[in-house]
Amino acid sequence: GAGVSQSPSNKVTEKGKDVELRCDPISGHTALYWYRQSLGQGLEFLIYFQGNSAPDKSGLPSDRFSAERTGGSVSTLTIQRTQQEDSAVYLCASSPYLGGAYEQYFGPGTRLTVT
Amino acid sequence: KQEVTQIPAALSVPEGENLVLNCSFTDSAIYNLQWFRQDPGKGLTSLLLIQSSQREQTSGRLNASLDKSSGRSTLYIAASQPGDSATYLCAGRGQTGANNLFFGTGTRLTVIP
Repeated sequence: GAGVSQSPSNKVTEKGKDVELRCDPISGHTALYWYRQSLGQGLEFLIYFQGNSAPDKSGLPSDRFSAERTGGSVSTLTIQRTQQEDSAVYLCASSPYLGGAYEQYFGPGTRLTVT
Repeated sequence: KQEVTQIPAALSVPEGENLVLNCSFTDSAIYNLQWFRQDPGKGLTSLLLIQSSQREQTSGRLNASLDKSSGRSTLYIAASQPGDSATYLCAGRGQTGANNLFFGTGTRLTVIP
């Protein structure tokens, strides 16, 4: 079946502009996560959604970052007034259930470059 | 906060060798531990998932072990092949909070033909 998809695959933007990154999780997966992978660093958690519950935003690095998940499926990560330190690969993952017993399945990521 | 460390950061082996990748974590209260591989410019591919109640999982030439008491996990790759060349990441899932994964920085494996 179809895996997690993300778009765009690459995005180059100028400092100060806003960007939107999209994630389509695996159909039927109720939990959705966003992570960021910066050059030379490990993956860091940003935000997660579970069904219709309020998202956990504890990993968001600043209030320039926000995310939505419409209809319990597609999610959009928005970065406002981008800075050069926002340059990274943004990865989305989904899993069937938040309960912890299930694997997280990752998309191919969006490589963001802020010039 | 969970800290995950992977040693070594990079490893080169000749084709056919067996090898072990190491992962250690600071908080033994993990729910499960997942091993991934990441190819250059690509996303993560899940390899093995070990629940906290399990000690090991096997898939083909891969075997992952988990020792919560010592805060360690290993990934054993038998009869390595050039196609195994990739970065291997381990990640622990906490028992509280967001249930997100805490990742190590990975081991970059090169299998030389």
